[in-house]
Parts: sequence; C-alpha cells; structure tokens
Amino acid sequence: DAKTTQPPSMDCAEGRAANLPCNHSTISGNEYVYWYRQIHSQGPQYIIHGLKNNETNEMASLIITEDRKSSTLILPHATLRDTAVYYCIVSPEYNFNKFYFGSGTKLNVKP
Amino acid sequence: EAQVTQNPRYLITVTGKKLTVTCSQNMNHEYMSWYRQDPGLGLRQIYYSMNVEVTDKGDVPEGYKVSRKEKRNFPLILESPSPNQTSLYFCASSLLAKNIQYFGAGTRLSVL
Repeated sequence: DAKTTQPPSMDCAEGRAANLPCNHSTISGNEYVYWYRQIHSQGPQYIIHGLKNNETNEMASLIITEDRKSSTLILPHATLRDTAVYYCIVSPEYNFNKFYFGSGTKLNVKP
Repeated sequence: EAQVTQNPRYLITVTGKKLTVTCSQNMNHEYMSWYRQDPGLGLRQIYYSMNVEVTDKGDVPEGYKVSRKEKRNFPLILESPSPNQTSLYFCASSLLAKNIQYFGAGTRLSVL
C-alpha cells in the first residue's frame, strides 16, 4: 500500500494561496489521491480527490505530477477557518479498508 | 440535511460497564466504518461494513463489536471497556461506488 509523506506544519497568511504538498512515490496505478481535513477535533471532511488529472472544486484544486509521485492541494484564498490538519491519502477507489490517514499537515492560517 | 449522527457525543464510564455508541446515516450509504483517534497515532479503523449483515475487522478491532442489521445504523459495542479504549471515536459512511467518506462529529469516550 502506498504511503504518503507530508510536512508536519505550514503557515499561510490569510487571503493568500495555501499550497500543501504530499509525496506518494510508491503509488500504484489504480490508487487515487484523496485529501481530507480535520478542524480541531471535528470529524474529517472530504475536500477533493483525483487519479492523474488535475481537479478543481469549490473548495480547492488538486495538482498531481505527471509521474503521480507527488501532489499539491491548493486553497486559493485561505481564511482563518481553513486552519486545520490536512490529510493526503492514497487508496484504490473501491478498497475501503486501506484508507490510512497518517499524521497530516497542520495548516495555520494567520491574520 | 445529509449527515452522520453519533450518540452520545461525550461519555464517561467505568471499566467493565458495557456501552454502545450509536451511528446513523441518512444518505442510503452502503459502507459504514468506525475509527478511533489517539494523539500521535492518527485515525485508525476499528471495523467496517460493506452492507447489511456484512462486517469486517479493521486495524484495531480488539475489544469492540459491531452489528449492521439495518442499512442506516452501525452501532459500536464495547462489551467490557478498559482504560486503553479512552479515545475519540468517529463513524463514517460512503457510497460503495465512490470512496468519499462522510464523518460524524465524534464521540469522546473516557473509561475510568
């Protein structure tokens, strides 16, 4: 199973873009990249996922490198409410018992 | 509103006293799961269910039981709680066709 590596913490100024990196060098061809976040001790919240193409939704953009060994989650205009732990997870789309959250990146959005 | 509801949100109990944490979802999801979250250990899966009457162990199933008699409900049962089960518990659900999990608000359990 692919593992992910994320920096333990990052800072971002309010209103600026937050770019959160994730390395997944052992990702398999059928594994998707998922991003979730957890605000304080609330339940994790799905953000976005993708296989190999870049994806965008109302919350964020996901950029996956061509070799799929790394990805970046982009929050285009970070707000204080985006302060959270962000988890990058790789998993086959239909394999529900291989969904490992890891340690994530604590994003601190500062005024 | 689509949601996953856990009850209770907070629970303090004593060693050995059986308890049940309920989880209910209103999205007609086939898949449901229980996780526990501990400092430094992240979220770990306890049990999961792919559909009614279909359950399987996750990574840390010892000391827990589950049942899936109805599609919407997936209770977590601690037959004889111990202090090492003090943790923050989350229930999640998803459609089988798309692995996007929706999480409940969490249950903070303390076993004295």
